[in-house]
Amino acid sequence: EAQVTQNPRYLITVTGKKLTVTCSQNMNHEYMSWYRQDPGLGLRQIYYSMNVEVTDKGDVPEGYKVSRKEKRNFPLILESPSPNQTSLYFCASSTRDGNEKLFFGSGTQLSVL
Amino acid sequence: GENVEQHPSTLSVQEGDSAVIKCTYSDSASNYFPWYKQELGKRPQLIIDIRSNVGEKKDQRIAVTLNKTAKHFSLHITETQPEDSAVYFCAAPFNNNDMRFGAGTRLTVKP
Repeated sequence: EAQVTQNPRYLITVTGKKLTVTCSQNMNHEYMSWYRQDPGLGLRQIYYSMNVEVTDKGDVPEGYKVSRKEKRNFPLILESPSPNQTSLYFCASSTRDGNEKLFFGSGTQLSVL
Repeated sequence: GENVEQHPSTLSVQEGDSAVIKCTYSDSASNYFPWYKQELGKRPQLIIDIRSNVGEKKDQRIAVTLNKTAKHFSLHITETQPEDSAVYFCAAPFNNNDMRFGAGTRLTVKP
């Protein structure tokens, strides 16, 4: 089944403790991206990647890192999480670039205490 | 910064009525305009999209219209049904690949 898989679904952590949210797609998509969703603000893009070893900042990249060592994986790294990073995070992928249908993962609800 | 403005933030209609959600964007180079539906607790899913070479696109009860000159596009849902109740997001690309989303419209269809 074609899908975007995110893990974990729920995560509670404390300020400053490094964490990684994984994202994997099995559709051989070139483009992958990360969004955070906050009430009243919609979905805001954090980082995106056009291909392996190519990453670019989105609208709200501060406090986040990403890597794209393999085509299928695009992990989101929070080196030192803070409470304002408490949010619902979605990974997404598309065939070629940002101007195509996005396939979203099931989301990761992160709480930073 | 580059924004996508979406209105209204909430919309309540009677079953069978039409619903219209409007969005404006600021990047005149944008050429792809998708609409996503997000049901409660679920992931966003694409319901319809339009490219800048056409002014309107229909798919059964949903349609999207685009006015590139005015930089706005709209989602139209006709003969609404309770299962249309969800949050709807418009989006437009900034710098081609940074997809910017509107803040969302919570649509409630009352039986």
